[in-house]
Amino acid sequence: DAGVIQSPRHEVTEMGQEVTLRCKPISGHDYLFWYRQTMMRGLELLIYFNNNVPIDDSGMPEDRFSAKMPNASFSTLKIQPSEPRDSAVYFCASSVGQGKTQYFGPGTRLLVL
Amino acid sequence: RKEVEQDPGPFNVPEGATVAFNCTYSNSASQSFFWYRQDCRKEPKLLMSVYSSGNEDGRFTAQLNRASQYISLLIRDSKLSDSATYLCVVSGATGNQFYFGTGTSLTVIP
Repeated sequence: DAGVIQSPRHEVTEMGQEVTLRCKPISGHDYLFWYRQTMMRGLELLIYFNNNVPIDDSGMPEDRFSAKMPNASFSTLKIQPSEPRDSAVYFCASSVGQGKTQYFGPGTRLLVL
Repeated sequence: RKEVEQDPGPFNVPEGATVAFNCTYSNSASQSFFWYRQDCRKEPKLLMSVYSSGNEDGRFTAQLNRASQYISLLIRDSKLSDSATYLCVVSGATGNQFYFGTGTSLTVIP
């Protein structure tokens, strides 16, 4: 079975550039989550969707971050413009049902120079 | 106050040892509890859910104490392959939002 798929796996960019991270959840899962992980702050929830609708984006750091889920099999997290402090590992996770096990993708390692 | 607090360790134990990790959470209305495992440079993966009655999966035992808002994980007969970071995870009151502890690092030494 295919798990959560994320692309790219690694991204190196320069400050000020736009970055787009992509996620394909597990088929049939109705919840999708975007997380960011850093050494200092651990794993933080940025935003989550239920049936493609954003439910809680209170974790999105600022207006430079935006997320969309145009259909049940695809989501994007965009950072524009990127800054060095955005460097982190960004994980996408999906689950079926409320409060159930979340399955994580392999993550995107982002480095903003 | 953080939603979930864990001792970051590191815990360095010999093979065959028993090791216990603890975690406290702040929201008494939390509904779901889990332990996840994260290997270096990998994604977190579910180790086990934690139920009020306590539950066991092979060498792993998880306990939940709602009154004290405390979760524990016990690993018996540690294996080299148990070396990882263990993340305590607690849901919010609505059940959807998960709060992750910063993780406890375990290294099992030959």
